[in-house]
Amino acid sequence: GAGVSQSPSNKVTEKGKDVELRCDPISGHTALYWYRQSLGQGLEFLIYFQGNSAPDKSGLPSDRFSAERTGGSVSTLTIQRTQQEDSAVYLCASSRGIRSGANVLTFGAGSRLTVL
Amino acid sequence: QQPVQSPQAVILREGEDAVINCSSSKALYSVHWYRQKHGEAPVFLMILLKGGEQMRHEKISASFNEKKQQSSLYLTASQLSYSGTYFCGTPGAGSYQLTFGKGTKLSVIP
Repeated sequence: GAGVSQSPSNKVTEKGKDVELRCDPISGHTALYWYRQSLGQGLEFLIYFQGNSAPDKSGLPSDRFSAERTGGSVSTLTIQRTQQEDSAVYLCASSRGIRSGANVLTFGAGSRLTVL
Repeated sequence: QQPVQSPQAVILREGEDAVINCSSSKALYSVHWYRQKHGEAPVFLMILLKGGEQMRHEKISASFNEKKQQSSLYLTASQLSYSGTYFCGTPGAGSYQLTFGKGTKLSVIP
């Protein structure tokens, strides 16, 4: 697609429920990232995928968070047993995966998660 | 390790200049700058590469001092459209992952 697509754009859930957030990256982009942005805060790295390599999960805040990327394209971020502190905007980004450091990220519009 | 940005926030009148700084405690190979307007996704502005030239995006320029492990973003003759939060991001050595600073909120008023 022309840009990074995320769904749902808004999700309201009750504490304790599981949620799935989806990201469809730009076609041909081999690298995919998930970031979390709490209200008025910065961009907190969660996880990234690069091609067929094992994902870098170093930013996941707890074992309630997991993500997968199927067929090197679409990714799903799953949050189990949601807590109120999980409320945030979850941003997905993709890039061509250039190792030189000149790796430009294109962000999606985000999924706003509200846990009641 | 997260880069440190300063100031946290700045208010400018149209036409005024501003400088946003980004520093790191670890060696930098490149510094990335993104801008996020209210309610929108972050958008890429520019990358400063080690040994590279000073970059420019419209009237926004940036420098990268590898020795001091810092980068500065210079906003000249600011316009209302410059309002937003500016983030610097730094990758690890040979890493794709970008770690962003907490951001600098810039407000340009008429």
